[in-house]
Amino acid sequence: QVQLVQSGAEVKKPGASVKISCKASGYRFNYYGIAWVRQAPGQGLQWMGWISPHNDNTYYEQNFQGRVTMTTDTSTTTAYMELRTLRSDDTAVYFCARDRVAGAPTPYYFDDWGQGTPVTVSS
Amino acid sequence: EIVLTQSPATLSVSPGDRATLSCRASQSLSSSLAWYQQIPGQPPRLLIYSASTRATGVPARFTGSGSGTEYTLTISSLQSEDFAVYYCQQYNKWPSTPFGQGTRLEIK
Repeated sequence: QVQLVQSGAEVKKPGASVKISCKASGYRFNYYGIAWVRQAPGQGLQWMGWISPHNDNTYYEQNFQGRVTMTTDTSTTTAYMELRTLRSDDTAVYFCARDRVAGAPTPYYFDDWGQGTPVTVSS
Repeated sequence: EIVLTQSPATLSVSPGDRATLSCRASQSLSSSLAWYQQIPGQPPRLLIYSASTRATGVPARFTGSGSGTEYTLTISSLQSEDFAVYYCQQYNKWPSTPFGQGTRLEIK
């Protein structure tokens, strides 16, 4: 079955960077895009972006442009999301999610999700 | 950029009753709309895609409908496990901010 297993909780100081991994299994990794979504405490879902493991094509949400980098490693079927210059309002749970549509050139919808990685940014 | 507006923000319904949740888009989505359920402490769960297609394993009491800019998620005969937060998400146009702000469905 499809599984997305994310790396563990992180505590960072303002100005630092965080890199979260999302290990995928149970499907052909190259065929499906991976999205990153975050959720601040008590808030709704916030889209961060999407990457295609097939060609590394990315869509980044405008508010994160220049601060986020999404990558994939097809040899280990792992996706990564790095967020730089962290601020206190980056404190959130970060989710990876698998696109439902194989070979999609743009993001669609997401039917498998990682368990979430809590990130706390505090001095 | 497409903006999704969900209403109401909070909906109070009794178990066994019907709930109707709305998602309005600032531009036509051509039925490229999905619905998710999120229980606190868990990741979202895909319920509906293409506006009206239930995802695998989703009970028949969940029904998606709509077209153009107006979409609805109807949950008939609410069960205890249905009380959660529901989000709509568009995938018609990118780049975008695709999620609505959510509707909290609470027990009346």
